[in-house]
Amino acid sequence: DTGVSQNPRHKITKRGQNVTFRCDPISEHNRLYWYRQTLGQGPEFLTYFQNEAQLEKSRLLSDRFSAERPKGSFSTLEIQRTEQGDSAMYLCASSARTSGNSYNEQFFGPGTRLTVL
Amino acid sequence: KQEVTQIPAALSVPEGENLVLNCSFTDSAIYNLQWFRQDPGKGLTSLLLIQSSQREQTSGRLNASLDKSSGRSTLYIAASQPGDSATYLCAAPGDMRFGAGTRLTVKP
Repeated sequence: DTGVSQNPRHKITKRGQNVTFRCDPISEHNRLYWYRQTLGQGPEFLTYFQNEAQLEKSRLLSDRFSAERPKGSFSTLEIQRTEQGDSAMYLCASSARTSGNSYNEQFFGPGTRLTVL
Repeated sequence: KQEVTQIPAALSVPEGENLVLNCSFTDSAIYNLQWFRQDPGKGLTSLLLIQSSQREQTSGRLNASLDKSSGRSTLYIAASQPGDSATYLCAAPGDMRFGAGTRLTVKP
């Protein structure tokens, strides 16, 4: 399977604990995106990387959130001191640079469902 | 800032019916528009991508159109089947903006 993969698929944690999610994008894709989705809503942008550089962060990404893509391949999203409001589906997507230096179609992973008790 | 809206939030149709899902966006300088399908508890599956220079794209029973001047895109599904039941989302991927989706139910 050469699609986007995410681990773990489900995470249950207690309030105040730290959690880390991993995303492995499609191998030749330069860009990697993190989104958060709550029930009945569309994905909300959190941050994205081009290779190893983090180019943009949403205001949703509080100082408790940090993301890395150290070698321009896989990425991790860490949430420190989790709160019940962090309960959501965390989605990762990747895209490839096309001719003309543009990035088009995004491909999504299966998501990580976080439940904070 | 690009905003993407989808109305209605839910739609129920009998099997075999042709249907249209709507998507509106606020910035006509949209680079491209992408339609996705999402099954409950799953990630998003890309259906169609329309480049800004295109007016429509087709894949099987699906046809998506893009009208930048009116800020609208439609997804046409022909001869709907129960297996088409899912939430359909549109997005301006260049802006990382998504609609909330239309939850489609196709009744046998």
